[in-house]
Amino acid sequence: DVKVTQSSRYLVKRTGEKVFLECVQDMDHENMFWYRQDPGLGLRLIYFSYDVKMKEKGDIPEGYSVSREKKERFSLILESASTNQTSMYLCASSLLSPRGETQYFGPGTRLLVL
Amino acid sequence: GESVGLHLPTLSVQEGDNSIINCAYSNSASDYFIWYKQESGKGPQFIIDIRSNMDKRQGQRVTVLLNKTVKHLSLQIAATQPGDSAVYFCAENIGGNNNDMRFGAGTRLTVKP
Repeated sequence: DVKVTQSSRYLVKRTGEKVFLECVQDMDHENMFWYRQDPGLGLRLIYFSYDVKMKEKGDIPEGYSVSREKKERFSLILESASTNQTSMYLCASSLLSPRGETQYFGPGTRLLVL
Repeated sequence: GESVGLHLPTLSVQEGDNSIINCAYSNSASDYFIWYKQESGKGPQFIIDIRSNMDKRQGQRVTVLLNKTVKHLSLQIAATQPGDSAVYFCAENIGGNNNDMRFGAGTRLTVKP
């Protein structure tokens, strides 16, 4: 059974704090993704990674950075949290393939920035 | 009933009825499509997928139809149950090894007992 886990279900942080969101997958997937989900907007891609130490910007990378030191782990970092980063954050992973592959999601982290 | 799943509209059906959720996708070159179910407070869960060389695929109580001519995807749920209540959204793969997916905003399905 596929498994993507995220370090926290709920987080409350203050403006200006540094925030780390961790994601781990046990499927040996090459691709990993970070999305944010806001009401009425669908999922928007922040960053993705297709290999260890590799990263690519998604549609909304501003204010975020990522780290992939091990294949199974992908971290999202908010260097200085702001209130407009209050959102649901979803991690996903998939196989690397020339064809489309299913992305499997974690349970999400709901972040509130005060 | 039917609903277009782009701006989180709501579809309400009676338990036991069939549900149809629609999605208009954007890219005529998209070759892979997925339907996800997301229950409140949880991450999206894979339901069914279809590749562009097919126009219909069936799973357990679910069927996905793909009409490439009009770039339209639908999810049919047979004999809808209260446990089917959730937000459903479609995703399209717009190509490449990096599995670049685009997601609709979803449709909220409510099943009345």
